[in-house]
Amino acid sequence: DSGVTQTPKHLITATGQRVTLRCSPRSGDLSVYWYQQSLDQGLQFLIQYYNGEERAKGNILERFSAQQFPDLHSELNLSSLELGDSALYFCASSVQPAGGDTQYFGPGTRLTVL
Amino acid sequence: AQSVTQLGSHVSVSEGALVLLRCNYSSSVPPYLFWYVQYPNQGLQLLLKYTTGATLVKGINGFEAEFKKSETSFHLTKPSALMSVAAEFLCAVSDRANTDKLIFGTGTRLQVFP
Repeated sequence: DSGVTQTPKHLITATGQRVTLRCSPRSGDLSVYWYQQSLDQGLQFLIQYYNGEERAKGNILERFSAQQFPDLHSELNLSSLELGDSALYFCASSVQPAGGDTQYFGPGTRLTVL
Repeated sequence: AQSVTQLGSHVSVSEGALVLLRCNYSSSVPPYLFWYVQYPNQGLQLLLKYTTGATLVKGINGFEAEFKKSETSFHLTKPSALMSVAAEFLCAVSDRANTDKLIFGTGTRLQVFP
């Protein structure tokens, strides 16, 4: 158990819908990362927050957005869902935003878009 | 842009044999280097990482990796494979900038046979 929690574990929804994935980092970690794992693209970085502020952005679609709240939990919002958005979404956390700090990964949320 | 190459999407070895999983990175400036393992339907677990100092890094469960700057490589080894559930091994890098976003290789699935 990494100490990072993600809810829900599974999510099945239809095209065009909007969903919210939630992540609680390890106690004391200030930095949160979101990654997407799909069969065709592998594991890809989406976005990073540090202490409530956006720190780095990857190839995150405009239909996707995220935020980190004052209690440091984070949410990833996916809207206008398409079949291709079906994937495993991981959240990770670390103490610092840089410097090679270890990222601890949550168990993931499996999103299926029908 | 930074990239990671893992040679061999599948590796099979006999129990007790040497495990060698290959990873090469692309940047001219050595990045931070990581190996993660992912078991079926689970999150990622850090095996080991290299940030600075000694180039031979020891990790959990008997795994080691050696950073070789001249070969831009960070290959993962284990002297003697143990029977276990097949797992995916992922090599990742992050650059020495103001973010620790990870760039992952495509992964290598390791199977150990009796």
